[in-house]
Amino acid sequence: DQQVKQNSPSLSVQEGRISILNCDYTNSMFDYFLWYKKYPAEGPTFLISISSIKDKNEDGRFTVFLNKSAKHLSLHIVPSQPGDSAVYFCAAGLSGGSNYKLTFGKGTLLTVNP
Amino acid sequence: ETGVTQTPRHLVMGMTNKKSLKCEQHLGHNAMYWYKQSAKKPLELMFVYSLEERVENNSVPSRFSPECPNSSHLFLHLHTLQPEDSALYLCASSLSHRATSGNTIYFGEGSWLTVV
Repeated sequence: DQQVKQNSPSLSVQEGRISILNCDYTNSMFDYFLWYKKYPAEGPTFLISISSIKDKNEDGRFTVFLNKSAKHLSLHIVPSQPGDSAVYFCAAGLSGGSNYKLTFGKGTLLTVNP
Repeated sequence: ETGVTQTPRHLVMGMTNKKSLKCEQHLGHNAMYWYKQSAKKPLELMFVYSLEERVENNSVPSRFSPECPNSSHLFLHLHTLQPEDSALYLCASSLSHRATSGNTIYFGEGSWLTVV
């Protein structure tokens, strides 16, 4: 049973607009969440993280929102750029626990059209 | 340049072959990992090494055999694989194996394995 779900396999957005990628989790013990980005033929690269003591974390064009009651997090990219086109993975785990307990979603392919 | 390099990038092997995947990290990290990514499946953790000691074997079949001779190098030895083992194998490293802020997992570019 998947504990981390990214229900949209793909998303297409126009350049300059907002991209919103969603992630749901089922394990209420998770308190540490990350987003990774993956280009074709490359490994995933870390993008942004958030712990459960916050509901928002911002880094430049990227903002992650966490709704603990809904067990939902989202990644907002504003403004979207063609170079943002990639697969985005959501991951969840226990802070202070082991990295190897991170659980990943299947990913969402974002395409930003010029 | 990710700091984690994997070779070979592509490998085709028969079911009776023996081959190895190699990973090297240049980041001074103490933890290294092997992940598997199959089509339409999430990343699956296979093995974790912390300071050259295996700390996790995530129910991986014995036809996959990891080796960590030092904290910078990690191997995945492969023998008598099945076609369903065809996947992208990702090596990763982090400062430690603890999930704390700033202790990010850095991935290599992956090795595409095809078993025929």
